Amino acid sequence: VQLQESGPGLVKPSETLSLTCTVSGGSMNSYYWSWIRQSPGKGLEWIGHIYYSGSANYNSSLESRVTISVDTSRGQFSLRLTSMTAADAAVYYCARQAGKCRRTSCFPYGMDVWGHGTTVTV
Amino acid sequence: QSVLTQPPSVSGAPGQTVTISCTGSSSNIGADYGVHWYQHHPGTAPKLLIYGGDNRPSGVPDRFSGSQSGITASLAITDLHAGDEAHYYCQSYDSSLSASVFGGGTKLTVL
Repeated sequence: VQLQESGPGLVKPSETLSLTCTVSGGSMNSYYWSWIRQSPGKGLEWIGHIYYSGSANYNSSLESRVTISVDTSRGQFSLRLTSMTAADAAVYYCARQAGKCRRTSCFPYGMDVWGHGTTVTV
Repeated sequence: QSVLTQPPSVSGAPGQTVTISCTGSSSNIGADYGVHWYQHHPGTAPKLLIYGGDNRPSGVPDRFSGSQSGITASLAITDLHAGDEAHYYCQSYDSSLSASVFGGGTKLTVL
């Protein structure tokens, strides 16, 4: 399985960032699909994930501005981040997470496949 | 401030062993949601080193090992190589946040 991010490398302040991650070589079924970013000089920050069925969860610090969607028929999932500022400049990665289930709930596990990352400048 | 706490830096000479800790809470590591470790070299994608506390994906050398006790997990790297110099991150799932969470990262310097 391979992941490839695509989208504009330059976004103006206050505009909306739209990125797409294309999944090749495997099915999207039964996996969580995540977006992670790394700002200059900082660590990895989880942005959010979407289960293949369409259920999404987001980092509470970004929740008011972020939407993640999935299109399994096209093998893609997307990130939309509104009201971009300089603080959102980062390398954005997409990643696959297996799901682990116990009792009546399932949760995302390790991120075993990553895209190469795309640099976004604001 | 990260939900998972790692030391900012560790160092060791070639051939030595280093350990990196990751401390969480009862809603993530302590709740047995699994701890995963990543190696990140600048300019490349992070690489999964350890998943589920102590499991290595195929292709990861057995010089890398993980352990967990209570709310703390650890990554041990034995027989240090120059190529091990990188940032290392722990990650888990937090049930109170319904979110994946990362540690702040640890920079490993090979002296």
